[in-house]
Amino acid sequence: DVQLVESGEGLVQPGGSLRLSCAASGFTFSNFAMHWVRQAPGKGLEYVSAITSNGDSTYYADSVKGRFTISRDNSKNTLYLQMGSLRAEDMAVYYCVRVGVGGCFDYWGQGALVTVSS
Amino acid sequence: IVMTQSPATLSVSPGERASLSCRASQSVSSKLAWYQQKPGQAPRLLIYGASTRATGVAARFSGSGSGTEFTLTISSLQSEDFAVYYCQQYNHWPRTFGQGTKVEIK
Repeated sequence: DVQLVESGEGLVQPGGSLRLSCAASGFTFSNFAMHWVRQAPGKGLEYVSAITSNGDSTYYADSVKGRFTISRDNSKNTLYLQMGSLRAEDMAVYYCVRVGVGGCFDYWGQGALVTVSS
Repeated sequence: IVMTQSPATLSVSPGERASLSCRASQSVSSKLAWYQQKPGQAPRLLIYGASTRATGVAARFSGSGSGTEFTLTISSLQSEDFAVYYCQQYNHWPRTFGQGTKVEIK
């Protein structure tokens, strides 16, 4: 079965940094593009970032551009999101997502909660 | 691309039919997906390519539309279908979601 398991969640002060990881299993990780999507408490889904299957191309939402970095290690079947200069508005559950047929998001992790507060 | 869902909340009795609407600010072709999210859970893919059910999704869920107008129909609501539903376009960058429609018990 496909599994995506996020880790690295936690509490960070405004301006601080945090790195999320997503361990993938049950499929050939290196064959799939991956994304991060977030959801602020009580709010809807917001697209964050994407990376191609081999890591040679990335995309960022304007809201995180220059502050967040997406990367992957295909030898470890792991996706990362390095978050810096964190703001209160970055507080959310962050989901790791696999890209499926045609580009839809076919599998989602359980989510990692990032709390930004002093 | 702005995705607009309506209504924001839909009150339906079990066994009734529910129709959820999603409109794109410009054409997304058929690159439209629907997701279901229950409280405390991650979203789950229901429909992709505007009308193709994902693996394991019940036949009572159906999707239609292309271009800018899309509909998710649940033919006969079951208790487990009360949730929030999001549409998403994946034809343009950035990928964008609608604000969600909450389907609640009437």
